Amino acid sequence: AQSVTQLGSHVSVSEGALVLLRCNYSSSVPPYLFWYVQYPNQGLQLLLKYTTGATLVKGINGFEAEFKKSETSFHLTKPSAHMSDAAEYFCAVTSTGTYKYIFGTGTRLKVLA
Amino acid sequence: DTAVSQTPKYLVTQMGNDKSIKCEQNLGHDTMYWYKQDSKKFLKIMFSYNNKELIINETVPNRFSPKSPDKAHLNLHINSLELGDSAVYFCASSLVGSETQYFGPGTRLLVL
Repeated sequence: AQSVTQLGSHVSVSEGALVLLRCNYSSSVPPYLFWYVQYPNQGLQLLLKYTTGATLVKGINGFEAEFKKSETSFHLTKPSAHMSDAAEYFCAVTSTGTYKYIFGTGTRLKVLA
Repeated sequence: DTAVSQTPKYLVTQMGNDKSIKCEQNLGHDTMYWYKQDSKKFLKIMFSYNNKELIINETVPNRFSPKSPDKAHLNLHINSLELGDSAVYFCASSLVGSETQYFGPGTRLLVL
């Protein structure tokens, strides 16, 4: 079975500050990991993904995440927050042949002026 | 062109009614999904279809019946709507071998 834990349902940062959103996963098989962003009343947009290969992955809008197998983590970071980053962020795990994502409970990012 | 589209975007209806939500993807994908997002934003898989065949039915009440007429479409029919069915329903698609799913804009269902 697979699971995802997102620590912190709400995170607030000042504009220009570092963004760190935490995601820990559990998987008995090699995981594929994803971060999606959801703006208010909108769908899910893929930010970045880890499947195989390089463990530091870069995504859109300046976000990146590092897959750490030893820590079972896939934390999302951005060096400098922008007001437009305010949204809900979801971490998800899947693996080959499972035909579904398991999502974390989401983290709402608030950016303070 | 929208990659994964859903209609309608909003749906307000009375308890006991029957309604359908349509999903279409123009990505050439062979796998499609329905997810439910509840009022607390929690996302959970409902169904997965691969090449028009049901792969996953995640203990969804049988009032929910998905139908895939072809690989590009996955519709969701809901009978006897209940208050608890109020949620946002997302359709998604992917290609076998690539585990990346692309999501539609969602259908916001409100049952009164």
